[in-house]
Amino acid sequence: GAGVSQSPSNKVTEKGKDVELRCDPISGHTALYWYRQSLGQGLEFLIYFQGNSAPDKSGLPSDRFSAERTGGSVSTLTIQRTQQEDSAVYLCASSPQGQGNSPLHFGNGTRLTVT
Amino acid sequence: EDQVTQSPEALRLQEGESSSLNCSYTVSGLRGLFWYRQDPGKGPEFLFTLYSAGEEKEKERLKATLTKKESFLHITAPKPEDSATYLCAVHADTGFQKLVFGTGTRLLVSP
Repeated sequence: GAGVSQSPSNKVTEKGKDVELRCDPISGHTALYWYRQSLGQGLEFLIYFQGNSAPDKSGLPSDRFSAERTGGSVSTLTIQRTQQEDSAVYLCASSPQGQGNSPLHFGNGTRLTVT
Repeated sequence: EDQVTQSPEALRLQEGESSSLNCSYTVSGLRGLFWYRQDPGKGPEFLFTLYSAGEEKEKERLKATLTKKESFLHITAPKPEDSATYLCAVHADTGFQKLVFGTGTRLLVSP
């Protein structure tokens, strides 16, 4: 079946511009996660959505970062006024139960380059 | 603070040369330890979940083991297609749903 889909696969933007990254999770998966992977760093948790519950935003690095999930499906991660340190691969993952012990199914990520 | 440390950072093996990757962790309470494989330009792909010390799981040439402080990913007679970055992650008993990842081990298997 279809896996987690992310778009765009690559994004180059100028410092100060806003960007939107999209994630289509696996159908029926109630939990959705955003992670960031920087060169030489481990995956860094950003935000977690579970059904209709309030999202866990504890990993968002600044108020320039926000995310929403519409209709319990598609999610958008928005970065405002991008900075060079925002350059990274942004990974989305979904899981069927969202209880932490369910394996995460990752998309192939969006590689963001801020020039 | 929950921490995951993987070693070595990089490992080069000859085809058929068995070895082990290490994942050391410090968590308040372990609910699960995960191993993922990541190929260049791709997202991580799930391999195993381990829940308690003494547990072992196998898949083809890979075997994962767990103690109270660390996990090992044993690779038996590796092939070039096993070349990838192997990531370890823990789910801690903190009430949060996030996984804490290590920085990974880059494995290169030469023919």
